[in-house]
Amino acid sequence: EDKVVQSPLSLVVHEGDTVTLNCSYEVTNFRSLLWYKQEKKAPTFLFMLTSSGIEKKSGRLSSILDKKELFSILNITATQTGDSAVYLCAVVPGAQKLVFGQGTRLTINP
Amino acid sequence: DTGVSQNPRHKITKRGQNVTFRCDPISEHNRLYWYRQTLGQGPEFLTYFQNEAQLEKSRLLSDRFSAERPKGSFSTLEIQRTEQGDSAMYLCASITSGVRTDTQYFGPGTRLTVL
Repeated sequence: EDKVVQSPLSLVVHEGDTVTLNCSYEVTNFRSLLWYKQEKKAPTFLFMLTSSGIEKKSGRLSSILDKKELFSILNITATQTGDSAVYLCAVVPGAQKLVFGQGTRLTINP
Repeated sequence: DTGVSQNPRHKITKRGQNVTFRCDPISEHNRLYWYRQTLGQGPEFLTYFQNEAQLEKSRLLSDRFSAERPKGSFSTLEIQRTEQGDSAMYLCASITSGVRTDTQYFGPGTRLTVL
C-alpha cells in the first residue's frame, strides 16, 4: 500500500529560525511529489518535484527530492509568523490521485 | 482563491440524515477529485472523475456515499444516513489530464459535523 510519512508532526520555533520538514514515501509507479501549505482551509500548492537532486525555490522556501532514498525535504529560512500552517507532503502514484502524509504543524512564535 | 468552489462551507446535521455537497471545479479542468480530511490528518482520497466518468473509488467510500458528475462540470457528493464518524472536512480538487503536471487545485472544503 502506498504510504507517506512526515516528520516531525509538530514543530514550534521562533521567528527568524530556519526549519527543515521531512517527507519519506513508499509508492508504486512514482510520478511526482508535491508540497502544500494548509492554513485554515484549502491546501495551497507550493512545489512539485519529479527529478532527484534539483532544488525548487520560491522566496524563502525551497525543496529537494531524493528518489533513491525516497524522501524529500522542505526548507524555510528566516521564518515569519505568517509561515505558521500545516505543511502537507503528497505523492502521485500513477493515477494522479494524491496520497498525503499526516502533515507537519509548524508554529512560528514572534 | 484557486478557482475551485464548494458549497456549503459548513454543514451541521443530525445522525441519520442525508447530506449533499457540491463542487465547481476550474472550468477547463476535466478531472475532479474528492478527499476527506479528519482532524490532525492529511486528506484521504475518496474518488475521482474524468469528465462525467467515475474512474476510481477508494474503499473508504462505503455504500452510503455516492458521487456524481453528470455533465462533466460540477460534482456532488451525497452521504446517506450520516454517522458521527462522517464528521470531517470534505475537499474537492481539480486538474487537467494529459498535461505534464500533477498539481491539483483545492476548493475551500465543506466542513461536516454530525451530531
